[in-house]
This record gives sequence, structure tokens and C-alpha cells, in this order.
Amino acid sequence: DGGITQSPKYLFRKEGQNVTLSCEQNLNHDAMYWYRQDPGQGLRLIYYSQIVNDFQKGDIAEGYSVSREKKESFPLTVTSAQKNPTAFYLCASSLLIGDRGPQPQHFGDGTRLSIL
Amino acid sequence: AQKITQTQPGMFVQEKEAVTLDCTYDTSDPSYGLFWYKQPSSGEMIFLIYQGSYDQQNATEGRYSLNFQKARKSANLVISASQLGDSAMYFCAMREPGAGRRALTFGSGTRLQVQP
Repeated sequence: DGGITQSPKYLFRKEGQNVTLSCEQNLNHDAMYWYRQDPGQGLRLIYYSQIVNDFQKGDIAEGYSVSREKKESFPLTVTSAQKNPTAFYLCASSLLIGDRGPQPQHFGDGTRLSIL
Repeated sequence: AQKITQTQPGMFVQEKEAVTLDCTYDTSDPSYGLFWYKQPSSGEMIFLIYQGSYDQQNATEGRYSLNFQKARKSANLVISASQLGDSAMYFCAMREPGAGRRALTFGSGTRLQVQP
């Protein structure tokens, strides 16, 4: 079955530590996205990528980094510069075929990150 | 200014009744897309329905329909014949063109509780 796999489901970070969240998709989608969700709030865009080896900052990119070395993979690193990393992180992917039509984003099951 | 506004933090509905979840949006682009997603307590985001700005008819998908009023910039989700499994957070989101971004901007969500 095609889909998006995020791992781990739960992650704990110590002070001063970088952690990496994994996101893999087998939907053959061009675009991939990372969102952050705080309790009781909507999703905010961290980074997105439309093609391998290219990615763009979203609305809240500070303290995060990404890479896109393969079409299927878009890992997110939460660096020690992110002072409030506790949140639910969601990865998504979509096709890129013009600007009209649904092309909905498909989401993974998310990773919950907490500070120890 | 908020791009997506959901003014109902929480809603209650009796099983088998219909419910309307409100969403207003703000954009100057003539071409945009509006999405509704459902987020159960487990956290995954489930795509429900899409409305394009140029679509002449309101979108429908099974028990979900979208009351799209372009002049008022509203895209309310109507769930008919509510079921207990409909209890979840519901998010309205917008996709705008421009610089090929195609990421989604989300509202803050509405928590729907279906009562037996």
C-alpha cells in the first residue's frame, strides 16, 4: 500500500541535542512538506520541497533544517537552536500538476516530540 | 491578518443530525483551492473535500458537502447524518498559487463532538 511513513512515533530531546525526524513516501509525489502543530492549534509550515536537492523555508523555519537527497525522503532535523520544540510534527506529500485541481496533501501519522 | 478563520472552537451535534462548520478565508489571488481535513484523536490528517475557486458547483463527497460562497469568502463544511465516528478536529485550509509554493495555510480548527 502506498503512503507516508513517519518515525519515530514518539521522540524525546535533551537540552542542546539535535534530533532528526524521518519521513518516507512511496506515492511517487514530487512535493513534500513539514508542518508543526501545537496543542489546540492548526498546522504551521516549517519547510517544503518540490524537487530533489531543493527546498524552501516556510513560516516557522528557524531552528529547523531539512534535506531532500531522494524523492522518497524528506528528513527534518530539530536543532538545539529551536528553543521550544515540544509539538506534534506532521509530514505530507502531494503531486505537482498545475495549480488547479485537488492534488490533496497526504499526511503521515506524525511524530510527537518532547523535551526531557 | 488571518488567512483562514474558523470561529467555532467547539461544536456539539446529536447523532444523525446535520452540522455546519464555518470557515472564512482571505486572499487576493483569483485562483485558489480550499480543503477540509479531519483529525481524529490519533493525530493523522484525513482529506475530506476540495473546492476550487473556479468551480461552478459546490463540492460534495458522500456525507460531506461544501457551502461555497465566493463573494463572502466563506467555505463552510456541512456534515449530514452525523455519526459517532465523526467526532474529531476539523481543519479548513487554503492553497494559493504563487512561486510554486502550493503549501497549505490552515485555520485553528473546530472540535466536533457527536452525542448519542
